[in-house]
Amino acid sequence: NAGVTQTPKFQVLKTGQSMTLQCAQDMNHEYMSWYRQDPGMGLRLIHYSVGAGITDQGEVPNGYNVSRSTTEDFPLRLLSAAPSQTSVYFCASSYSSAGPGELFFGEGSRLTVL
Amino acid sequence: QQPVQSPQAVILREGEDAVINCSSSKALYSVHWYRQKHGEAPVFLMILLKGGEQKGHEKISASFNEKKQQSSLYLTASQLSYSGTYFCGTRMTTDSWGKLQFGAGTQVVVTP
Repeated sequence: NAGVTQTPKFQVLKTGQSMTLQCAQDMNHEYMSWYRQDPGMGLRLIHYSVGAGITDQGEVPNGYNVSRSTTEDFPLRLLSAAPSQTSVYFCASSYSSAGPGELFFGEGSRLTVL
Repeated sequence: QQPVQSPQAVILREGEDAVINCSSSKALYSVHWYRQKHGEAPVFLMILLKGGEQKGHEKISASFNEKKQQSSLYLTASQLSYSGTYFCGTRMTTDSWGKLQFGAGTQVVVTP
């Protein structure tokens, strides 16, 4: 049981480049979400999904796209990276029948945009 | 809207108690507490649903006052292992049920 797996763990991009942060879970969780963590700002919700084919925006969705074609995977796409997107990104999942319960977090992906 | 946590930081000696507060300007459905150690992912502590219940995890307990839209986390007889940053997450009754938003965190340092 791997839990929540994020790749890559570290990435350096140039402004304007695109990339995808991968997130996979093997716990058959319906709920998955992406957060970014910046110093002094806590965890801010980017996008979340309550099941395959269903996604919604969080607090800071601009500049990010998501899709959920399978229960296991929830990739986060940066279409045109900006320095303001330098952050640590966490993917989390939860067994959900009526809203996120205990969230299981991945180890995080540290992204630097130059 | 992010919940507001206070204090921003607290330093304790082993064995001392502390309280971390979490408040919202909107009606809350649930409050979620997590602890994050440096360089690691956040780890779940507990969830409180509206109804004023209290829960416990080791010597860490929490209360939820839905009328005041507040929750408090109580660290009792703190241990060195309690050091870390504590986050409260809130689901508001008016939001989509999937939206869980976290506060900025409270850094706790427990010294010998």
